[in-house]
Amino acid sequence: DADVTQTPRNRITKTGKRIMLECSQTKGHDRMYWYRQDPGLGLRLIYYSFDVKDINKGEISDGYSVSRQAQAKFSLSLESAIPNQTALYFCATSDLAGTGRSTQYFGPGTRLTVL
Amino acid sequence: GENVEQHPSTLSVQEGDSAVIKCTYSDSASNYFPWYKQELGKRPQLIIDIRSNVGEKKDQRIAVTLNKTAKHFSLHITETQPEDSAVYFCAASAGNQFYFGTGTSLTVIP
Repeated sequence: DADVTQTPRNRITKTGKRIMLECSQTKGHDRMYWYRQDPGLGLRLIYYSFDVKDINKGEISDGYSVSRQAQAKFSLSLESAIPNQTALYFCATSDLAGTGRSTQYFGPGTRLTVL
Repeated sequence: GENVEQHPSTLSVQEGDSAVIKCTYSDSASNYFPWYKQELGKRPQLIIDIRSNVGEKKDQRIAVTLNKTAKHFSLHITETQPEDSAVYFCAASAGNQFYFGTGTSLTVIP
């Protein structure tokens, strides 16, 4: 779905480095999410935002921070990367979760490797 | 919070057979249950969803059933084809967050 884009698509970094992953969407959705995917663990929520002034922690927010710069942009930062943050990261957007049209649309993913 | 369990973790079927994937959830407030298909190296994509006021929904070869009393929902794929091979995720939402199962890797053997 080209309406949700992520940069970079792949990143290799070293322990202790600061990393920012960016997500942009043209779907006009208010709600944006960051997930990480690990083999056998499914998709786990890191942070989510319902509008520019709203930021909420997910189940695995430790070691991560986010910034909602605009309705269309949601960035995920790793302040000091560690090897167990090696994973596939997905950004997603949705409209009204749980009511009406609540489909989540995922970006293409960012594969992050921390050495 | 919500806890979604998904079984089996892997499933192999012969082409043309049916495949069933089951999920349970814990939060009775959950009212939206989507299913996602993720092909190798690709993003998850919605294939079907069901809301809590509906017991069953069908879209061609794919169907989803929901039992609110037992808190479980299932994905049924009939007449499986090799292109159905992928990882399938269930999810549950009560309004704010989506909670995902751990995924089922489906292999359809030609």
